[in-house]
Amino acid sequence: EVQLVESGGGLVKPGGSLKLSCAASGFTFSDYYMYWVRQTPEKRLEWVATISDGGSYTYYPDSVKGRFTISRDNAKNNLYLQMSSLKSEDTAMYYCARDVGLRLFAYWGQGTLVTVSA
Amino acid sequence: DVVMTQTPLSLPVSLGDQASISCRSSQSLVHSNGNTYLHWYLQKPGQSPKLLIYKVSNRFSGVPDRFSGSGSGTDFTLKISRVEAEDLGVYYCCQGSHVPFTFGSGTKLEIK
Repeated sequence: EVQLVESGGGLVKPGGSLKLSCAASGFTFSDYYMYWVRQTPEKRLEWVATISDGGSYTYYPDSVKGRFTISRDNAKNNLYLQMSSLKSEDTAMYYCARDVGLRLFAYWGQGTLVTVSA
Repeated sequence: DVVMTQTPLSLPVSLGDQASISCRSSQSLVHSNGNTYLHWYLQKPGQSPKLLIYKVSNRFSGVPDRFSGSGSGTDFTLKISRVEAEDLGVYYCCQGSHVPFTFGSGTKLEIK
């Protein structure tokens, strides 16, 4: 069974940093592209980052480019999202998700909540 | 960015009814490889979203056959043939044909 378990969320001040983690199990982690997707308090879903199976390629929307960094450790089956220069509009539930080679989010974790507030 | 417009925002239904949700994109979702990466997700209350339909009309593993997807180009539809209580929640369309991937704003399926 595919399992994705996020952690690392919390309350952070504007301009601060936070690192999220996602522990993967139930599949061969190194075979799949992985993503971070967030859901705002208004329930809007936004793609945040993509990383290729080997970790060589990463992609971001303009809203987080230069501030967020996605990475992975295939030996430990872990996915990460380093977030810096956080803004109030980054407040959201952050989900990690796995692809099946079809440019989609086939499996999702339960999410970790990030709140950016003074 | 591709804008995904879902209608209606709210869909009150009676159990056993058919339900239909529309999703329109601001540009064609036909990828350069010929595939159309239009997908549907359901988020039940208190849960993370789950994949229902991928590439317009393909049901994901374990999804009941009362769910069906159709459409092409910029116009897509999700239909639920006989709504059951477990189908209630918010449905989102999402395009993966163009970067950034973008979602519709969601349609809340609720009991009339």
